[in-house]
Amino acid sequence: EAQVTQNPRYLITVTGKKLTVTCSQNMNHEYMSWYRQDPGLGLRQIYYSMNVEVTDKGDVPEGYKVSRKEKRNFPLILESPSPNQTSLYFCASSLGTGAIYEQYFGPGTRLTVT
Amino acid sequence: AQSVAQPEDQVNVAEGNPLTVKCTYSVSGNPYLFWYVQYPNRGLQFLLKYITGDNLVKGSYGFEAEFNKSQTSFHLKKPSALVSDSALYFCAVRPRIGGYQLIWGAGTKLIIKP
Repeated sequence: EAQVTQNPRYLITVTGKKLTVTCSQNMNHEYMSWYRQDPGLGLRQIYYSMNVEVTDKGDVPEGYKVSRKEKRNFPLILESPSPNQTSLYFCASSLGTGAIYEQYFGPGTRLTVT
Repeated sequence: AQSVAQPEDQVNVAEGNPLTVKCTYSVSGNPYLFWYVQYPNRGLQFLLKYITGDNLVKGSYGFEAEFNKSQTSFHLKKPSALVSDSALYFCAVRPRIGGYQLIWGAGTKLIIKP
């Protein structure tokens, strides 16, 4: 089944404790992206990657890191999480960067930082 | 600044009645337009898109959307609502020129009452 998977689905952590949220897609997609969803703000893009070893900042990159060493994986790293990073996070992928390509989303990771 | 507006936080419709979820945008040129749906505790799913051509676009689950260039709108519609249509709906826009990123609306919660 074609899908985007994220792990963990739920995470409660404390301020300053490094964490990684994994994202993997099995569709051989070139483009991958991380978003955070907060009430009333819609989706805001954190980072995106147009291919292996190519990443770029989105609208809200502060406090996050990403890497794209393999085409299928795009982990999101929070080196020192803070309470304002409490949010619902989505990973997405698409076949390419052209507008004809819709994005496929993972199920989401709900992160709480205390 | 480029933006997407979904003027209603919530829309309530009786089952069997037609529904409309509104989206307007402030983006230069003729952008590409998308609708995504998010069911509870799920990731976003692509519904439909407008790239070019006929202003009325048909998508998944009986939804359609009408592109209106003069009003810069892309309203989502369905002739007869189902209770299972209850979800969070997001409009997204991508400029034709300059960048690959989507500009997202804040989302509209659609509640279909039996």
